[in-house]
Amino acid sequence: GAVVSQHPSRVICKSGTSVKIECRSLDFQATTMFWYRQFPKKSLMLMATSNEGSKATYEQGVEKDKFLINHASLTLSTLTVTSAHPEDSSFYICSARGTSGTYNEQFFGPGTRLTVL
Amino acid sequence: AQTVTQSQPEMSVQEAETVTLSCTYDTSESNYYLFWYKQPPSRQMILVIRQEAYKQQNATENRFSVNFQKAAKSFSLKISDSQLGDTAMYFCASNTGANSKLTFGKGITLSVRP
Repeated sequence: GAVVSQHPSRVICKSGTSVKIECRSLDFQATTMFWYRQFPKKSLMLMATSNEGSKATYEQGVEKDKFLINHASLTLSTLTVTSAHPEDSSFYICSARGTSGTYNEQFFGPGTRLTVL
Repeated sequence: AQTVTQSQPEMSVQEAETVTLSCTYDTSESNYYLFWYKQPPSRQMILVIRQEAYKQQNATENRFSVNFQKAAKSFSLKISDSQLGDTAMYFCASNTGANSKLTFGKGITLSVRP
């Protein structure tokens, strides 16, 4: 099946620093990748949609300058949390959609737990 | 715009019994897809089952089946012979043929009791 990896799985950083999270599709080409944020016991909140080679589309209320998304290749997207603050602490999940298939199915990464001190 | 509603925040079921998780949705699209995802304590999202709206037959995957009532915009998940490993949060979700962005419900926490 389609596998999506995320790195790192956990990261702790100091307030004011930037953190980069990588999302890779390991065995398929992902034309579209999605980034979600999830709080404990809550649903996934879509932050942005990125298509390879073009600028990401951010959901309303998501700060573009704070959450920088790059989708430079068909297998890699990155989310950079700039000048992180404690309120950015959360669980971040990426998903990827391939170039084929009829179900519009998304394959999810295992998530990254970000803690900002 | 699509909406997905899961009104039950949590449920509990005895091991080996059957449980049904409810989901309703609303969409103006004629071509759409419905999904149930499982998120165990590891937090890895796992696709449980999917249904294409144009198919009348209810999808089935081993112990998991859906009751898709298109007119009522209802998409419930039935788990038969519940197992301890079924303990997880379950999310109902939908997207359209033209837009692969998923719309999620709030989720339901299912606990399977030994």
